[in-house]
Amino acid sequence: DARVTQTPRHKVTEMGQEVTMRCQPILGHNTVFWYRQTMMQGLELLAYFRNRAPLDDSGMPKDRFSAEMPDATLATLKIQPSEPRDSAVYFCASGLGQQFFGPGTRLTVL
Amino acid sequence: QQPVQSPQAVILREGEDAVINCSSSKALYSVHWYRQKHGEAPVFLMILLKGGEQMRHEKISASFNEKKQQSSLYLTASQLSYSGTYFCGTEDFRWGFGNEKLTFGTGTRLTIIP
Repeated sequence: DARVTQTPRHKVTEMGQEVTMRCQPILGHNTVFWYRQTMMQGLELLAYFRNRAPLDDSGMPKDRFSAEMPDATLATLKIQPSEPRDSAVYFCASGLGQQFFGPGTRLTVL
Repeated sequence: QQPVQSPQAVILREGEDAVINCSSSKALYSVHWYRQKHGEAPVFLMILLKGGEQMRHEKISASFNEKKQQSSLYLTASQLSYSGTYFCGTEDFRWGFGNEKLTFGTGTRLTIIP
């Protein structure tokens, strides 16, 4: 059945390293969201796209985070350089109205 | 601004009922409800699009009071499978159109015990 996939599922890295997370939305979904979830802040929207164009990335720290959709089947979220405070679970979701979440990438920055 | 959910946590015995509330300081276009089990992704339950609208998912129902800018989730005759954290996601009302961008509440942790 159709589902959102994310890679990697887990990532441990050292401070200062570049991290790239990938998401494959459900085929036919033209709206893609990136969320970050932490115990302290809860579930926060970082950015979202419609037909591959960024609509809103106001939730994203601009100096180190970037999000792109190179094509309709791939969304990427990049952190460069990573910091310990970026440790969180990052979810990708697709859909309009009902959002289908991927399994998430658990990022630990040491 | 993040919608406020109450209570923050609730423990129920199987078969009991619960109500989870979600309040926003902004005018709302819609309210979405999701459930997240530990270690898993949030899963969609329902959307409420109109003031006063009520929706149902199995034995879970919800209402949306547009004027009060709040929504309530009602869990009836709770089952063990209902355990998890419930999030409301609110969509702002702007210039007559929703913008599809959700702001999630702080969550309500529901534990069902046998």
